[in-house]
Amino acid sequence: AQSVAQPEDQVNVAEGNPLTVKCTYSVSGNPYLFWYVQYPNRGLQFLLKYITGDNLVKGSYGFEAEFNKSQTSFHLKKPSALVSDSALYFCAVRDRSGGSYIPTFGRGTSLIVHP
Amino acid sequence: DAGVIQSPRHEVTEMGQEVTLRCKPISGHNSLFWYRQTMMRGLELLIYFNNNVPIDDSGMPEDRFSAKMPNASFSTLKIQPSEPRDSAVYFCASVLQGYTEAFFGQGTRLTVV
Repeated sequence: AQSVAQPEDQVNVAEGNPLTVKCTYSVSGNPYLFWYVQYPNRGLQFLLKYITGDNLVKGSYGFEAEFNKSQTSFHLKKPSALVSDSALYFCAVRDRSGGSYIPTFGRGTSLIVHP
Repeated sequence: DAGVIQSPRHEVTEMGQEVTLRCKPISGHNSLFWYRQTMMRGLELLIYFNNNVPIDDSGMPEDRFSAKMPNASFSTLKIQPSEPRDSAVYFCASVLQGYTEAFFGQGTRLTVV
């Protein structure tokens, strides 16, 4: 079984400050990990993924995420937040060892960046 | 490529009516998912197809829901009869085998009154 936890329903940050959106996961084997962003009235858009290799993954719009196997975490980060980053962020996991392509999504974290 | 295309974008229907949601996956993608998003339950997987074959439909809430994928470029999700509690945003997503990330459509916002 695989699962994802996003412990914060909402994260508030001032524009220009660094942001972190937290994600922890559980899988039987090794994980594929993903972050998606959803703007109002839109579908989910892929931001970045961890497959293997370097634990620090860089993605779209200046976002990055760090894979931490010992803490089973994959937190999303950005050095300097923009108001336009305000959106709903989803973490997802897929067990690499399974034959299924089904990702499991967290409940989402609403990021609000204040001017 | 235009991405995953869903239609209609919005649907308002009366309780008891049949509703059909449509999805065109990205050309060449061979896995397709239907998700439902609500405030209460978040993003729920309804059904997963691989090479047009339903692999996992354990998320389909009840017999009123059915999904088909007659060919690689088209899928439908049907609700018959619809109920107010079916009101949600329904997303379709596709994945290319051998790759990992899913690509989502814009969603269909369903309102059952």
